[in-house]
Amino acid sequence: ETGVTQTPRHLVMGMTNKKSLKCEQHLGHNAMYWYKQSAKKPLELMFVYNFKEQTENNSVPSRFSPECPNSSHLFLHLHTLQPEDSALYLCASSQRPDGAYEQYFGPGTRLTVT
Amino acid sequence: TQLLEQSPQFLSIQEGENLTVYCNSSSVFSSLQWYRQEPGEGPVLLVTVVTGGEVKKLKRLTFQFGDARKDSSLHITAAQPGDTGLYLCAGGSYNTDKLIFGTGTRLQVFP
Repeated sequence: ETGVTQTPRHLVMGMTNKKSLKCEQHLGHNAMYWYKQSAKKPLELMFVYNFKEQTENNSVPSRFSPECPNSSHLFLHLHTLQPEDSALYLCASSQRPDGAYEQYFGPGTRLTVT
Repeated sequence: TQLLEQSPQFLSIQEGENLTVYCNSSSVFSSLQWYRQEPGEGPVLLVTVVTGGEVKKLKRLTFQFGDARKDSSLHITAAQPGDTGLYLCAGGSYNTDKLIFGTGTRLQVFP
């Protein structure tokens, strides 16, 4: 248990569906992240939030829409996804949005787009 | 663009063997973190090294940060099936908001 929870753990959705992934951290951290992990690729950073403000959007398509209502919660809204978007989506948090700080990951949401 | 290359990409060994995983870059990092990820879970932090030449030990795992802070190694002594997983290195720099993750080494230890 790392102090970061994600729901759902598994999600299957069609290309026309709209769904949301949820992340919650219980560590009192100020920074939160979304990553995409695909087979045979390094972990890809998608978004960074610092004190609820987005500080990084790593050229992510607009069909992925993040939301950070407070420092403890992070959402990833999904719509009109493509099969190549199937992957493990990981949420992480750190004390500060500084690359030198350790990040704590949730268990991930395994997403399958059909 | 900062890249971290890990080698080997895959490693299958018998219980009791020793192994070393390498993490290399042409870039200098302020810190280097090692994570282990088990199937169906997120990466879990093992250690952080911040000083060039630093060596840290975690039971049977020994981590070293290169003198120039561009590379790192992870050595496992007498590997056990519980060591099985994906090992990721990640480089961090002060005043940037991201970690650069390595390509990963997938380790399988057979009993």
